[in-house]
This record gives sequence, structure tokens and C-alpha cells, in this order.
Amino acid sequence: GAVVSQHPSRVICKSGTSVKIECRSLDFQATTMFWYRQFPKQSLMLMATSNEGSKATYEQGVEKDKFLINHASLTLSTLTVTSAHPEDSSFYICSAVPGTSVSEQFFGPGTRLTVL
Amino acid sequence: RKEVEQDPGPFNVPEGATVAFNCTYSNSASQSFFWYRQDCRKEPKLLMSVYSSGNEDGRFTAQLNRASQYISLLIRDSKLSDSATYLCVVNLRGTYKYIFGTGTRLKVLA
Repeated sequence: GAVVSQHPSRVICKSGTSVKIECRSLDFQATTMFWYRQFPKQSLMLMATSNEGSKATYEQGVEKDKFLINHASLTLSTLTVTSAHPEDSSFYICSAVPGTSVSEQFFGPGTRLTVL
Repeated sequence: RKEVEQDPGPFNVPEGATVAFNCTYSNSASQSFFWYRQDCRKEPKLLMSVYSSGNEDGRFTAQLNRASQYISLLIRDSKLSDSATYLCVVNLRGTYKYIFGTGTRLKVLA
């Protein structure tokens, strides 16, 4: 149980385009989802906390107008990287917390974004 | 100072060796602790939770010292398949947030 999917798994785009990444909890409802970014040889850095039906909470230094998060249902959160630039190239990973869980997060397989 | 600190390694060890990783955390509001394993270009996967009394799962033993704000992971009888990056993760009290360490790379050599 507790499976989280992400789509797409890999995306290559031109600079200036917007990219949407979906995160789905497949067999549970997730009131809270998280979006992380991981640059090569670095750890996961939390970008934002996504709560179903409310605005996302962004970590310090993360531009909310550039990284748009929508958590419209209990099983889906989306991250849109607007006007992507090469420095946004990274591994984006989401995680989800089941409503009954105090602390365990379940991670999606990640999306590798390359901006040319 | 980073909230969760780990030695990045790499630790290169022969098969069958015992290896230990340490992790320190700075936030006293840290409530839950985990070790995750991350393979190259993959998502992190939970290896084990860390309990105050220490806990063991097969070849893996985790320990927590709240007074020193220190967590450890011991791997016995290392296998080639243990080669990965091991991430120390801390959860803050009253939140679902995870704080990740930078990870320790382990390479088990034949």
C-alpha cells in the first residue's frame, strides 16, 4: 500500500516554457503533500507544503509565483514550473502523508526536469 | 549550521564489513527520526525508523541519543547491494515536515 506516482518521469523543455508535474496518491487520501527539489550530489530540499483545499506553504527562498502548486483533491497535487530556465533543471520529488499518519511520508518516483 | 548534518563520504568498504554512519541534528523540537536509502536517480525509500531505545532490522541497527542530538546507523555484513546514499531524516514535532541530511554515500566493493 501507500503508493505515490508522479508524471511525467522525465521532461526536457526549452527555456521559457512552463512545465506541469503531477503527484498522485494511488491507494490513499493525502491531505498533505510535499514538493522537494534535489540538485546533483545534494540532498532533498523542501520547496513547499501542499494542503488540500488551501494555499501551499512555501519554504524560504522558493518563489511562489514561479513554482505554482495546486492541491485540488485528496489524491492529486500539481507543481507547475513557470517560465523554466536552465537553473531550474533538477530532480523534483513529491511525497504524500496519509490522513491517519503522524509522520511517515511516501515518496513518488521523481521527475527529472531538463531545461535547455 | 545545517539542521541535519552527515558526513558525505564516500565510505568504500569491502563486502562483509561493518560500517557505521552518524548524523547530528540541531533542532530540539525534532520528534521522529528515520534513515532513508536513495539509489542514484531514484526516490528515497524508507530503510527504518529510529526509536529512542534503539532498534534492529536484520543487518541494520539504528540508535538515537536525544541528549546529544545524534543518530546512528550500523550495517553489518555489507552486501554489494547496500551501495547507495543513506539519508538521515528528522521530523519536527507538530508538523509533517521532514528535514533531510545531505546523505552519506556508501560503496561496497567486491
